[in-house]
Amino acid sequence: NAGVTQTPKFQVLKTGQSMTLQCAQDMNHEYMSWYRQDPGMGLRLIHYSVGAGITDQGEVPNGYNVSRSTTEDFPLRLLSAAPSQTSVYFCASIGRRFGQSNTGELFFGEGSRLTVL
Amino acid sequence: KQEVTQIPAALSVPEGENLVLNCSFTDSAIYNLQWFRQDPGKGLTSLLLIQSSQREQTSGRLNASLDKSSGRSTLYIAASQPGDSATYLCAVTSGGSSNTGKLIFGQGTTLQVKP
Repeated sequence: NAGVTQTPKFQVLKTGQSMTLQCAQDMNHEYMSWYRQDPGMGLRLIHYSVGAGITDQGEVPNGYNVSRSTTEDFPLRLLSAAPSQTSVYFCASIGRRFGQSNTGELFFGEGSRLTVL
Repeated sequence: KQEVTQIPAALSVPEGENLVLNCSFTDSAIYNLQWFRQDPGKGLTSLLLIQSSQREQTSGRLNASLDKSSGRSTLYIAASQPGDSATYLCAVTSGGSSNTGKLIFGQGTTLQVKP
């Protein structure tokens, strides 16, 4: 199993550009989430999903959009990039498989480092 | 609103020392608490998960305890090694969130173990 895979690892955008950060997991996990990590702020939840077709907002959702059309994929879209969105983005899936008890253990991707100029 | 605090922000110890990292949270109604390790430029690796009904979990040289009533958790690292150098984060899932992956993180303790 590859676990949680994020692409790209690095990206530089200009203000106003849009892009999609990709996240895929091959563990058949039901729950997936996106976090951003900033110095002095720790990790903060952007959006999360409890299954295909179901998403909800986290603590800092503004400027981001998500969808969950399959169990495996949970892309994060930046609609119009701003310098305040310069951050490291982490995708995570939670250790629950369909029909099984939820261990609650989170598995993280390696991160996507985004710079908005 | 749940808040998670980790003290100290940084810690430097000589190799072989036993050490304790602290985590406190403001709302005792948690579903679980997790400790993670993060190496520079890398993602987070789950170390220990303590369910709200548990008092502690152990994995190798690591032991994590949970005291919900006081809003505290500690991560004990025995016989520290240079390879333990990393940032350690704790995170809680609040009681109303079940296990949807909605974690509230502390800002972490950066540990350096000197040979």
